Amino acid sequence: NAGVTQTPKFQVLKTGQSMTLQCAQDMNHEYMSWYRQDPGMGLRLIHYSVGAGITDQGEVPNGYNVSRSTTEDFPLRLLSAAPSQTSVYFCASNPRWASGEKTTDTQYFGPGTRLTVL
Amino acid sequence: KQEVTQIPAALSVPEGENLVLNCSFTDSAIYNLQWFRQDPGKGLTSLLLIQSSQREQTSGRLNASLDKSSGRSTLYIAASQPGDSATYLCAVREAGSYQLTFGKGTKLSVIP
Repeated sequence: NAGVTQTPKFQVLKTGQSMTLQCAQDMNHEYMSWYRQDPGMGLRLIHYSVGAGITDQGEVPNGYNVSRSTTEDFPLRLLSAAPSQTSVYFCASNPRWASGEKTTDTQYFGPGTRLTVL
Repeated sequence: KQEVTQIPAALSVPEGENLVLNCSFTDSAIYNLQWFRQDPGKGLTSLLLIQSSQREQTSGRLNASLDKSSGRSTLYIAASQPGDSATYLCAVREAGSYQLTFGKGTKLSVIP
């Protein structure tokens, strides 16, 4: 298994541009999520999905859009990039989410995308 | 709102020492707690997961404990090695929530 993969690894945008950060997992995990990591702020949840066709907002969703058409893919769209969105973005997946007593709740993280918005 | 605090922010120890990393959380109604490792420029790797009903988990030289009532967890690393140098993060999942709340991490340096 490749695990959780993210593309691109690095990206530089100008203010106002849009782009999509790609995330894919080949482990058939139900739950996927996007986090951003900023110095002094820790990791913060942007959006998450508990299965194909189901998404919801996390702590910092403004300026971002997601969709989940397949189990494998969970892209994150920046609608109109702003300098405040300069960050490292991580995608994560989880095999089962609170289904039964013996849930496997371990999060698997991708390698990250380092985004700079000028 | 759940808040997770990790102290110290940075720690430097000589190789071979046993050490303890601390994590505290404000709301004891958690579903589980995880400890992660992050190497520079890399993603996070899950080390240990403790369910709210458990007191501790062990993996090799790592032992994590959980005291839910006092809102504390510790990660014990035995016989530290230079390869243990990384940032260690703890994260809690609250009961009834999908969200993980992370601490800001402890940066560990093990000096040969």
